[in-house]
Amino acid sequence: NAGVTQTPKFQVLKTGQSMTLQCAQDMNHNSMYWYRQDPGMGLRLIYYSASEGTTDKGEVPNGYNVSRLNKREFSLRLESAAPSQTSVYFCASSGTTGHYGYTFGSGTRLTVV
Amino acid sequence: GQQLNQSPQSMFIQEGEDVSMNCTSSSIFNTWLWYKQEPGEGPVLLIALYKAGELTSNGRLTAQFGITRKDSFLNISASIPSDVGIYFCAGPPEAQKLVFGQGTRLTINP
Repeated sequence: NAGVTQTPKFQVLKTGQSMTLQCAQDMNHNSMYWYRQDPGMGLRLIYYSASEGTTDKGEVPNGYNVSRLNKREFSLRLESAAPSQTSVYFCASSGTTGHYGYTFGSGTRLTVV
Repeated sequence: GQQLNQSPQSMFIQEGEDVSMNCTSSSIFNTWLWYKQEPGEGPVLLIALYKAGELTSNGRLTAQFGITRKDSFLNISASIPSDVGIYFCAGPPEAQKLVFGQGTRLTINP
């Protein structure tokens, strides 16, 4: 009963480096999401994928790209990391349109120096 | 963008006390949700509300969907140490986009 699995759990990058955050869910959910969490700002939606083959921008998409590789996997890529992207990143999934009881992963803590 | 204003931002209480927090939106929501986040983990859904005026309980937690549809409330009765965490309200301003409040950090002194 893994639910939503994110890798890595921690990462330190230098400014300008690139990396991909991985997310996989084993609940056969259609929709997947990427959020970032910063102190005092709650969680902000970066990108989402309502179904396999589709992706859309959320509230804070600049500096990120996503790929919905298949129904299970949704990755988030930072092409050229900046200190402003230091944050905790959460992936989530949802099985039913209009149902917002998202299942979240345990997060990736990213530091850009 | 859409903002949810959650208050208070933090609470320091004694074990056994009741807790109240609220969330307001600048626009109408058709759904209100309350999540809890524990250290090192992602948020977990506590209660979902789908109808204005609805009052729903989950153990010692009770949440209400405000009749204006622009606010929601969460109460925790007789707090215990495991209630510690960050509580978030959330709502969908449009389909497939869930926005979150800033969170209420709850600390409990035994």
